[in-house]
Amino acid sequence: QVQLVQSGAEVKKPGASVKVSCKASGYTFSNYYMNWVRQAPGQGLEWMGIINPSGGATTYAQKFQGRLTMTSDTSTSTVHMTLSSLRSEDTAVYYCSRDLGTVTPQLDYWGQGTLVTVSS
Amino acid sequence: SSELTQDPTMSVALGQTVRLTCQGDSLRNYYTSWYQQKPGQAPVLVIYGKNNRPSGIPARFSGSSSGNTASLTITGAQAEDEAAYYCCARDSSGDHLVFGGGTKVTVL
Repeated sequence: QVQLVQSGAEVKKPGASVKVSCKASGYTFSNYYMNWVRQAPGQGLEWMGIINPSGGATTYAQKFQGRLTMTSDTSTSTVHMTLSSLRSEDTAVYYCSRDLGTVTPQLDYWGQGTLVTVSS
Repeated sequence: SSELTQDPTMSVALGQTVRLTCQGDSLRNYYTSWYQQKPGQAPVLVIYGKNNRPSGIPARFSGSSSGNTASLTITGAQAEDEAAYYCCARDSSGDHLVFGGGTKVTVL
């Protein structure tokens, strides 16, 4: 069965970086794109960006340009999301979610979420 | 601010029908997908495209679209449908995805 398993919760200080991992299983890793979506406490969903694990091409939301890096490792079926220059507003649950990459978004499986807390 | 606009809250009596809407200029060119999220859980895809339901999603969930508005209809709402619902589509550039602000549905 399809599973996306994310790395554990993180606590970071302002200005630091955080790296969150998402390990995929149960499907052909290179056949699906991977999105990253975050949710601040009590708030809605926010799309951050997408990576094509086959080749590593990325597209990031303009809001995160310069601070966000997504990478993929096909040997371990894992994608990584690194957010730098953290500030308190980055405190959120971060989700990975696979997508066929078609025009209509179809985020059909989601990781369990990783809570990132930014606090001095 | 989101390019997709949803009503923040809606309520529906048990067994009745509720229609959630999502408005945005990009919806004239792109279909949406809809996600259900219960507290403390990851979102779940319930509708995508013109009106497609993933396996396991009850038939009481349906989608439609007209002009700049997409709709999610729950026909015969059940207590377990109480959740937040988010629409998602490409933005006006077509290069990025955007989520609506979400609608919190209460089943009375």
